[in-house]
Amino acid sequence: NAGVTQTPKFQVLKTGQSMTLQCAQDMNHEYMSWYRQDPGMGLRLIHYSVGAGITDQGEVPNGYNVSRSTTEDFPLRLLSAAPSQTSVYFCASSNRQGSGELFFGEGSRLTVL
Amino acid sequence: KQEVTQIPAALSVPEGENLVLNCSFTDSAIYNLQWFRQDPGKGLTSLLLIQSSQREQTSGRLNASLDKSSGRSTLYIAASQPGDSATYLCVNFFTTDKIIFGKGTRLHILP
Repeated sequence: NAGVTQTPKFQVLKTGQSMTLQCAQDMNHEYMSWYRQDPGMGLRLIHYSVGAGITDQGEVPNGYNVSRSTTEDFPLRLLSAAPSQTSVYFCASSNRQGSGELFFGEGSRLTVL
Repeated sequence: KQEVTQIPAALSVPEGENLVLNCSFTDSAIYNLQWFRQDPGKGLTSLLLIQSSQREQTSGRLNASLDKSSGRSTLYIAASQPGDSATYLCVNFFTTDKIIFGKGTRLHILP
């Protein structure tokens, strides 16, 4: 019963470096999304996908890229990290054709120096 | 613009009291509404899911209600315990694509 798996759990980057946060789900969910959580700001939607090959922007997409080549995986790429991207990142998935219940990964804490 | 508001932002109550957390939203055309709890430094734990055709859901000491006409959902916690201390988040599925979160209510149960 893996659910939604995020890796890595912790990462420290220097400004300008690139990295990819991985997200995988084993529930055959069509919908997947990435959020960032900052103190006082709540959870903000970065990008989401309603199926393989389909992605769209959320509230705060700048500085992030996503792709969805398979149903299971939805990686989030930071091409040139900035200190403003220091945050906790959560991946979520949902079965849009069923109950719609949202399932979350455990989060990835990213620090950009 | 679709918005989800949670009031109060923080709440402290003595152990054993019953309490209500509020979630309001600007658009009555919701799909589902889900309540989560989040402990400090941890992920989100799903508590209750109310589908748009339902009015309430119950799990143990928790009861969540949904009133689409007034744009409100409430989470009722009975006989509060120190272990209930956490941040409670309301998430409203306005459509199945754009999922909007409230900023949460930080709950502190005083022993």
